[in-house]
Amino acid sequence: SSELTQDPAVSVALGQTVRITCQGDSLRRYYASWYQQKPGQAPILVIYNKNSRPSGVPDRFSGSSSGNTASLTITGAQAEDEADYYCASRGSTGYNLRLFGGGTKLAVL
Amino acid sequence: QVHLQQWGAGLLKPSETLSLTCAVYDGSFSGYYWIWIRQPPGKGLEWIGEINDSGSTSYNPSLKSRATISVDTSKSQFSLKLSSVTAADTAVYFCARVYTNAFDIWGQGTEITVSS
Repeated sequence: SSELTQDPAVSVALGQTVRITCQGDSLRRYYASWYQQKPGQAPILVIYNKNSRPSGVPDRFSGSSSGNTASLTITGAQAEDEADYYCASRGSTGYNLRLFGGGTKLAVL
Repeated sequence: QVHLQQWGAGLLKPSETLSLTCAVYDGSFSGYYWIWIRQPPGKGLEWIGEINDSGSTSYNPSLKSRATISVDTSKSQFSLKLSSVTAADTAVYFCARVYTNAFDIWGQGTEITVSS
């Protein structure tokens, strides 16, 4: 398969921990990167190389990977974390292809 | 701090050619791949294609060769042309920098509407 699959929506209580997952064959071979997008804004990179955070991204964001599944974990979710989250990776059919997951809408309750 | 500024015509008629340019400021242009991504209204992100400073390109096969990405290293700019647009090409188009297989710096986005 040349797709990355995400749950359309996930919710978390304020201050609790939430895991957002991304599944795809290509994740057995390539790391996922993760992006946060708020309405009307460009996406922001939050995790790359499985579990590296760009400067400025809070350390409550972390990444992991196992088999064909990559995960983004937010430990102690804040109200400002409510957003759409997208995973991305290379395509399994060719290194020169890139894929995005369909996105997960995170609600912080 | 590197930032990207993009521009282009926002309203097109079917069959016209979309043209966008992205300029890189306050950072190195060489040594990176530069990418175009789009997002239809209410939908997810889609990779369009990418280019490096040497002009090496890759494209999303789903665009059926309608996309052409070019680079002008003298101006630290790269451009996207998408021919024969239809309503399905209506989207916000983003440029971004590729860093270790992730997209770390993004342009502000350009809203493109295709309508007769």
